[in-house]
Amino acid sequence: EDKVVQSPLSLVVHEGDTVTLNCSYEVTNFRSLLWYKQEKKAPTFLFMLTSSGIEKKSGRLSSILDKKELSSILNITATQTGDSAIYLCAVEKGVGAQKLVFGQGTRLTINP
Amino acid sequence: NAGVTQTPKFRILKIGQSMTLQCTQDMNHNYMYWYRQDPGMGLKLIYYSVGAGITDKGEVPNGYNVSRSTTEDFPLRLELAAPSQTSVYFCASSKDRGRDGYTFGSGTRLTVV
Repeated sequence: EDKVVQSPLSLVVHEGDTVTLNCSYEVTNFRSLLWYKQEKKAPTFLFMLTSSGIEKKSGRLSSILDKKELSSILNITATQTGDSAIYLCAVEKGVGAQKLVFGQGTRLTINP
Repeated sequence: NAGVTQTPKFRILKIGQSMTLQCTQDMNHNYMYWYRQDPGMGLKLIYYSVGAGITDKGEVPNGYNVSRSTTEDFPLRLELAAPSQTSVYFCASSKDRGRDGYTFGSGTRLTVV
């Protein structure tokens, strides 16, 4: 059975700290790994990773995929209260439509 | 550009009732999806469609039906609602294998009592 596991499930840090969120997967016919940020409502897209070792970066957020270890990390540096959210990892599988298998999410809380 | 629009935003159903969750996108995306999200859990795929007239089951299709008569619309039908269908439902769309991932609707919070 396909599985995406995120850790930790919950994390509370102070503003300015750096955090690392983890995602490991066991999915048949892997195509890509995606990270989403979910605040009050719908998830919003952060990164899509297809190649191992290549870092995707957007401001203070960055992510790397390790296809050998079947895992990915999401780093957030100099955290701000606005980074508080649930971060979802999803793996795209199969052929044709972009079917995603989601992890359970990491709830990140940034305290001022 | 509205993106993906879902209605209603909230709904309470009694056990055994039926309803349709509406989803419309105006981005001319080929692929559309329905997911459900239970508390503390990730999203699970219910049904998806690769184009008008073509639908297929996802991971948790039981108790649901879909249709895709146009590119824009992808309604999700619940027949004989059960408490286990209490969840937040998200519709999403993507353009083929979009490099920008999915575009999600804002969700429908459904409670079955």
